[in-house]
Amino acid sequence: KQEVTQIPAALSVPEGENLVLNCSFTDSAIYNLQWFRQDPGKGLTSLLLIQSSQREQTSGRLNASLDKSSGRSTLYIAASQPGDSATYLCAVNAEAIGSYKLIFGSGTRLLVRP
Amino acid sequence: ETGVTQSPTHLIKTRGQQVTLRCSSQSGHNTVSWYQQALGQGPQFIFQYYREEENGRGNFPPRFSGLQFPNYSSELNVNALELDDSALYLCASSLGGQGNNEQFFGPGTRLTVL
Repeated sequence: KQEVTQIPAALSVPEGENLVLNCSFTDSAIYNLQWFRQDPGKGLTSLLLIQSSQREQTSGRLNASLDKSSGRSTLYIAASQPGDSATYLCAVNAEAIGSYKLIFGSGTRLLVRP
Repeated sequence: ETGVTQSPTHLIKTRGQQVTLRCSSQSGHNTVSWYQQALGQGPQFIFQYYREEENGRGNFPPRFSGLQFPNYSSELNVNALELDDSALYLCASSLGGQGNNEQFFGPGTRLTVL
């Protein structure tokens, strides 16, 4: 059974720091992995999608890596800003008996202090 | 903006009632997935519809049911509401039956069961 774990559960950093969020999954048979941002009480904003054949994706100050063999992904945020404060969720896209579904971790709550 | 819309934004019901939540997919997307997100948790897969037929289901009881219409809009119906059904309900649309296609999320419906 696929399980997704995110560490740490919460993180508080001063503005300007570079930081890394971690995501691990137990089954390497995935189609892709997505990182999402969620503001309090809001829906999900997709940040980066990494296909299973890819090693990393970059968008602005964000860089996500994927190591399928070890079941790990990291989201690197450069020069953090208070506006980056949110919950970050990773999800693996896994087959589910004829369909496919996203399996999410519980998220990392990030606070960037001014 | 993902082009996926959901209604209503918020809803309050009492235990035992029935509720219908609606989702309008991104133009051209023929697959919709529904997720339930309890407070402080990652979203959990409820079910998926592809070309108007259920195409996979998570660990949710039969009182959770759905419909997908020819225009690819969809509904999530929940009968006999329980207090634990209080959550954010998210729909996600994607193109085709391919597992590696990205899913695009709507803003969600916040359901409170009293």
